[in-house]
Amino acid sequence: GESVGLHLPTLSVQEGDNSIINCAYSNSASDYFIWYKQESGKGPQFIIDIRSNMDKRQGQRVTVLLNKTVKHLSLQIAATQPGDSAVYFCAFSSGGSNYKLTFGKGTLLTVNP
Amino acid sequence: GAGVSQTPSNKVTEKGKYVELRCDPISGHTALYWYRQSLGQGPEFLIYFQGTGAADDSGLPNDRFFAVRPEGSVSTLKIQRTERGDSAVYLCASSLGIYNEQFFGPGTRLTVL
Repeated sequence: GESVGLHLPTLSVQEGDNSIINCAYSNSASDYFIWYKQESGKGPQFIIDIRSNMDKRQGQRVTVLLNKTVKHLSLQIAATQPGDSAVYFCAFSSGGSNYKLTFGKGTLLTVNP
Repeated sequence: GAGVSQTPSNKVTEKGKYVELRCDPISGHTALYWYRQSLGQGPEFLIYFQGTGAADDSGLPNDRFFAVRPEGSVSTLKIQRTERGDSAVYLCASSLGIYNEQFFGPGTRLTVL
């Protein structure tokens, strides 16, 4: 589930490495999951989504994995670039629509050149 | 095309004052959402509009908060008798419908002194 606090989990990687960002959720009724990227001073930007009838979905350089058994979601970024540096949030909703999103605690990704 | 815009980008006010925050959604988007993001945390859902009506206002923290969307486009979030705890970034998002991707604006940073 979500946690609160001013200190975000952080992940620091070298440019070109793969990154894995994790998220746990607590509501077993959650059926729609999204990853957002948020850069400083900007609103969240959609990266990729997945519904509960899938366990994996791939986009361009990104893959989302969903493990409903342990209520765990992960975002994999291949060949991480400096432009990927941002805070990443998972979000989820239930009831078949995605309008009422619950956001998890963000992870700060720093990519070192 | 233009994305979601929010004005002002920053608002500083004194405790007890009234503030209005404006959101211009993407043209043609019937769904509009307001979120509040405190420092170091993910956005929290406040209210969702479908057209002119507030379809779900369950996230509004108390009756000091109110939002309108009189013509089904621009929305205004109104906060009466502001308190220091209202200080946060207020984000607006819009989507074609509730099953579509939400596009976020840059937010309005509200500071209550």
